[in-house]
Amino acid sequence: SAVISQKPSRDICQRGTSLTIQCQVDSQVTMMFWYRQQPGQSLTLIATANQGSEATYESGFVIDKFPISRPNLTFSTLTVSNMSPEDSSIYLCSGYTGQGYGYTFGSGTRLTVV
Amino acid sequence: AQSVTQLDSQVPVFEEAPVELRCNYSSSVSVYLFWYVQYPNQGLQLLLKYLSGSTLVKSINGFEAEFNKSQTSFHLRKPSVHISDTAEYFCAVSVSTNAGKSTFGDGTTLTVKP
Repeated sequence: SAVISQKPSRDICQRGTSLTIQCQVDSQVTMMFWYRQQPGQSLTLIATANQGSEATYESGFVIDKFPISRPNLTFSTLTVSNMSPEDSSIYLCSGYTGQGYGYTFGSGTRLTVV
Repeated sequence: AQSVTQLDSQVPVFEEAPVELRCNYSSSVSVYLFWYVQYPNQGLQLLLKYLSGSTLVKSINGFEAEFNKSQTSFHLRKPSVHISDTAEYFCAVSVSTNAGKSTFGDGTTLTVKP
């Protein structure tokens, strides 16, 4: 199965700044997704990263706050913009390689905003 | 739309005891079912999956889950747990008509005590 390298693994950021998280997959994946996992909670889907076009955002998430790029089938970035302490969370990218095969996840980015 | 309910948020158990983590789902169409495990400070890893065929699926580390269509359940079991099984476990479902998009349960924290 695909292996996803995600970086940074953690960061502490000042409020009002932005952080870009990168995910690199070692093989082509059909779909890529970005999730947020707040402390003690389950995964919340932020958006589907579409290759070469605008991401598809879930309710409650907007492009201005979470711009996403996916220039090719193996790479995607998520930017958390104008951060506030409420953005402190784990951010996970995932890849989906085919029907019913489940997701492969990156190791996550633990973000703390101070 | 599909949904997933993990009936236990926390399951404490002693080492070498059996364990069952419960998962129920709701969907009007056929589904694929997954269990993911998240060890402390790591991303999620696919533990096992049900796509079709035999309703009993097994992982390499002794976990098994049984798909029960009539009860819409996919409970995870292990006959004898180890300290190293301490982790967060997530049940997820995707529908066969949109297999790329999974819905996750809230997670169950399994704590194995010596």
